[in-house]
Amino acid sequence: DAKTTQPPSMDCAEGRAANLPCNHSTISGNEYVYWYRQIHSQGPQYIIHGLKNNETNEMASLIITEDRKSSTLILPHATLRDTAVYYCIVRVAPGGTYKYIFGTGTRLKVLA
Amino acid sequence: NAGVMQNPRHLVRRRGQEARLRCSPMKGHSHVYWYRQLPEEGLKFMVYLQKENIIDESGMPKERFSAEFPKEGPSILRIQQVVRGDSAAYFCASSHRETSYEQYFGPGTRLTVT
Repeated sequence: DAKTTQPPSMDCAEGRAANLPCNHSTISGNEYVYWYRQIHSQGPQYIIHGLKNNETNEMASLIITEDRKSSTLILPHATLRDTAVYYCIVRVAPGGTYKYIFGTGTRLKVLA
Repeated sequence: NAGVMQNPRHLVRRRGQEARLRCSPMKGHSHVYWYRQLPEEGLKFMVYLQKENIIDESGMPKERFSAEFPKEGPSILRIQQVVRGDSAAYFCASSHRETSYEQYFGPGTRLTVT
């Protein structure tokens, strides 16, 4: 089962910031939080990842709470092309392998 | 700098036939992951391979499914005697090494079983 919980859907106005929440209350100390998105039925696209510090790259920012039980992905200026399903993933490493356990994600619709 | 390549992109098979899905990882990547996505669902991990080794196949159905990643050539996901329930999108991802920060996904193969 996925170790994350996300709202099933969200709307955001074009040009505004999109804030996508994720709960991962059972995360372990050495587990990273990853965000991917899937546009239409394409292959998932990597966005950002983090362990405990906030992270920013050219696509988004990732805010992780101090207790690491939740995080928020921020798309600072959403465009229509950001409409996608966004997956928050805790990278699980049982037995030394690093497979992703996907949940059902948040379907973000950016509105014109 | 080619990304992960998968072929075919679409595959139609009749019940009982075999399906072979191929995945060429990114250049320099030696770790391959296969995932399956049913309609309106998230991706489900199937198998993790390194060159000539299956590392984790905990997500693979016990029967009819097999995967390999030979020393030379692409990784192959093989489904024997396909049934309608095998219809799905199959995604391959690759990473540079086991602890690499991200997996890069291919465009997927959409399998339809008629």
